[in-house]
Amino acid sequence: GAVVSQHPSWVICKSGTSVKIECRSLDFQATTMFWYRQFPKQSLMLMATSNEGSKATYEQGVEKDKFLINHASLTLSTLTVTSAHPEDSSFYICSARGQGDSYEQYFGPGTRLTVT
Amino acid sequence: KNEVEQSPQNLTAQEGEFITINCSYSVGISALHWLQQHPGGGIVSLFMLSSGKKKHGRLIATINIQEKHSSLHITASHPRDSAVYICAVRSYMDSNYQLIWGAGTKLIIKP
Repeated sequence: GAVVSQHPSWVICKSGTSVKIECRSLDFQATTMFWYRQFPKQSLMLMATSNEGSKATYEQGVEKDKFLINHASLTLSTLTVTSAHPEDSSFYICSARGQGDSYEQYFGPGTRLTVT
Repeated sequence: KNEVEQSPQNLTAQEGEFITINCSYSVGISALHWLQQHPGGGIVSLFMLSSGKKKHGRLIATINIQEKHSSLHITASHPRDSAVYICAVRSYMDSNYQLIWGAGTKLIIKP
């Protein structure tokens, strides 16, 4: 099946710094990418949806200036957590889907962010 | 009431038992996903269904569109099946194909 990779798989950063997480579709063109956040023992929460070449659509309550999403190519989307705070510590998962109704949504392995 | 409800929330069983996890939804959908999340957090897509039944190895997924219900079955369960199983649906009203998530079922298979 299709593969989605994320980098890094885990990151520890100091409060106030920015962290960039990459999401790549390795063997298909991802016209749409989704970014999710998951707190411990909770379900995934959609943060934003991005279509290649367009601005991301953010869910209610997600600060677009804090969570910068770039989907510049059909195989790469990035999430930058700006001025990270300890409450941003979470598990961030991206998923990608290709064009067409029959395309499944493929999930990346996730990135665990810890802000100290 | 959540749009996607799973049951049970937690399930512990002995190795070899037949496992059933249920998912009910209240919206019109174009597809339903069953996903598996291991303790490390990584998510694996098990099935995407829009009708009928699919089988992959020891896993079987069924969906009844009229009743708005899907089940995931595991035959001859094994400790490595221990994970959180998540049902998610794609509303046919959403052209962006966003998923509506169930809360997940935590499955533990004891040797």
